[in-house]
Amino acid sequence: EAGVAQSPRYKIIEKRQSVAFWCNPISGHATLYWYQQILGQGPKLLIQFQNNGVVDDSQLPKDRFSAERLKGVDSTLKIQPAKLEDSAVYLCASTQFGGRADTQYFGPGTRLTVL
Amino acid sequence: AQTVTQSQPEMSVQEAETVTLSCTYDTSESDYYLFWYKQPPSRQMILVIRQEAYKQQNATENRFSVNFQKAAKSFSLKISDSQLGDAAMYFCASYGNKLVFGAGTILRVKS
Repeated sequence: EAGVAQSPRYKIIEKRQSVAFWCNPISGHATLYWYQQILGQGPKLLIQFQNNGVVDDSQLPKDRFSAERLKGVDSTLKIQPAKLEDSAVYLCASTQFGGRADTQYFGPGTRLTVL
Repeated sequence: AQTVTQSQPEMSVQEAETVTLSCTYDTSESDYYLFWYKQPPSRQMILVIRQEAYKQQNATENRFSVNFQKAAKSFSLKISDSQLGDAAMYFCASYGNKLVFGAGTILRVKS
């Protein structure tokens, strides 16, 4: 079974530029999550999708971050414009159903450096 | 609100020895799950072990076991017979209405 795929693996941009990350969850997984992991900290949930609907985006900085999951499969997270403090690893995870008992399967992450 | 605290930024253990990683949490949810995740240097996070809060029996997965003290809101991870492959960042996490992670503990394994 293929795992959660993310691309690109690394991205370096200048502040105020835009950037987009892509995630393809495990086949058949209804729930998809985006996390931000700043160096030295644990991952923080940015947004949770159930199929193509948003369940929780309470911690997503909506003035600059946006995410979509068209057709309920893969997802894109965008930052526009980027700030220095957005430098982090962006992790995507998926679960079959989305409940608290479900195991979250994580992708390898995208490391973003904002200069 | 949920919080997870890992008070040990770094731990070391000799190969074949036992090590315990500490974690405390706080949640207003009555039904929740607790997890330990491992993140090796390649950064792919994987689940080590989980505990359902309503179960009193401590979870065990091979060399990994937990000590769940619900009243004290404590959830420690014990790794027995440590192996070089256990070296990683370990995150404690709780899931009430969302998955909330602690800051992590780096585990180094000495040969």
